[in-house]
Amino acid sequence: QVQLQESGPRLVKPSGTLSHNCVVSGGSLSTNNWWSWVRQPPGKGLEWIGEIDHGGTTNYNPSLKSRVTISVDKSNNQFSLRLTSVTAADTAMYYCARSNNAFDIWGQGTMVTVSS
Amino acid sequence: EIVLTQSPGTLSLSPGERATLSCRASQSISSSYLAWYQQKPGQTPRLLIYGVSTRATGIPDRFSGSGSGTDFTLTISRLEPEDFAVYYCQQYGSSQGSTFGQGTKLEIK
Repeated sequence: QVQLQESGPRLVKPSGTLSHNCVVSGGSLSTNNWWSWVRQPPGKGLEWIGEIDHGGTTNYNPSLKSRVTISVDKSNNQFSLRLTSVTAADTAMYYCARSNNAFDIWGQGTMVTVSS
Repeated sequence: EIVLTQSPGTLSLSPGERATLSCRASQSISSSYLAWYQQKPGQTPRLLIYGVSTRATGIPDRFSGSGSGTDFTLTISRLEPEDFAVYYCQQYGSSQGSTFGQGTKLEIK
């Protein structure tokens, strides 16, 4: 079955760039699904960051749009998140997820801390 | 952007009781793209309901979803000890992307 595995730095400096990848295993990324990033600050709720389809079409959360880029790498069956100009407010658990009748498959999440 | 407001913020009930959680949207959700998730401490969110009322694979039938337009409900007919968690509603599949509600914490009374 399809599984998602995030990878990326757990510590990012303020004003720096957060870059994470999500590898899709057990299935192809090139299907009729959207692939999303979601984050959750410690003790708080879920926040949708954005999504991409296998053709590269994207949608972003308006509150993050100016700082977010999501891209897809079909040759490596993965998609990526890039968030620029990070601050302490970007400290959160970052999840990747598949949207197929809502978000039916999630990665295990990576806790990212923004700190110098 | 569609804003989802969940109520109550916290719901205190006992095992065996019925739980009713509400999710209200700031505008009508088209094509019934409304989902519910359960999240326990330290765990990844788990999809319970999609398309307003369809249970995801493996979800017990004590969980049910209903509603239309801007008002939606998740009902747990008879609470089991493992049901105490935080529940989120979500709208998805629109041209505006997705949003989550702020969550309802279901706690043991």
